[in-house]
Amino acid sequence: DAKTTQPTSMDCAEGRAANLPCNHSTISGNEYVYWYRQIHSQGPQYIIHGLKNNETNEMASLIITEDRKSSTLILPHATLRDTAVYYCIVRVIDDYKLSFGAGTTVTVRA
Amino acid sequence: ETGVTQSPTHLIKTRGQQVTLRCSSQSGHNTVSWYQQALGQGPQFIFQYYREEENGRGNFPPRFSGLQFPNYSSELNVNALELDDSALYLCASSLGGPDTEAFFGQGTRLTVV
Repeated sequence: DAKTTQPTSMDCAEGRAANLPCNHSTISGNEYVYWYRQIHSQGPQYIIHGLKNNETNEMASLIITEDRKSSTLILPHATLRDTAVYYCIVRVIDDYKLSFGAGTTVTVRA
Repeated sequence: ETGVTQSPTHLIKTRGQQVTLRCSSQSGHNTVSWYQQALGQGPQFIFQYYREEENGRGNFPPRFSGLQFPNYSSELNVNALELDDSALYLCASSLGGPDTEAFFGQGTRLTVV
């Protein structure tokens, strides 16, 4: 699986958009970009995934660059409950395994 | 809530003992994966079961084994426990297929003393 690079941590103000970057420069054409988050002491929570088009759901938006070498997860209006570790994962299309890295610790401040 | 339930939530075992962890997958999901998460690290893939067959395994020794039952629930068994096996064990279920998401349970916190 392609590796991902994420910042170790970032802060965000409550009510503002949180933009979480992820680099995956070695991504292949048959690999999806997935985002999960993990709130302290809970299981990871699925957020969103995409192959090459931008995606939006009720939780977030995923922007994938045209060359697919990087992506940005956008939380449109961050709340204190969005404080969590966010994982960007590249997953081969026919492989169910998720390879988690260290993720980005996001702290939303009032 | 994801509909994936794990039991027990916490467990303390002695080194050398054996442990069985259980997972009830979300309704309709035929694929179950197990992950180990040591403190301060991301989850690491142990193995996956699809329709009662193991169809993928991470870098874990054979003393980590599993089962999936006809109702798609699953067990993780660990023999000869070591101190380093202390971790949060996570179960995830999915529909399988290339464009699906996995839903995780809350995990079982195992402490080996």
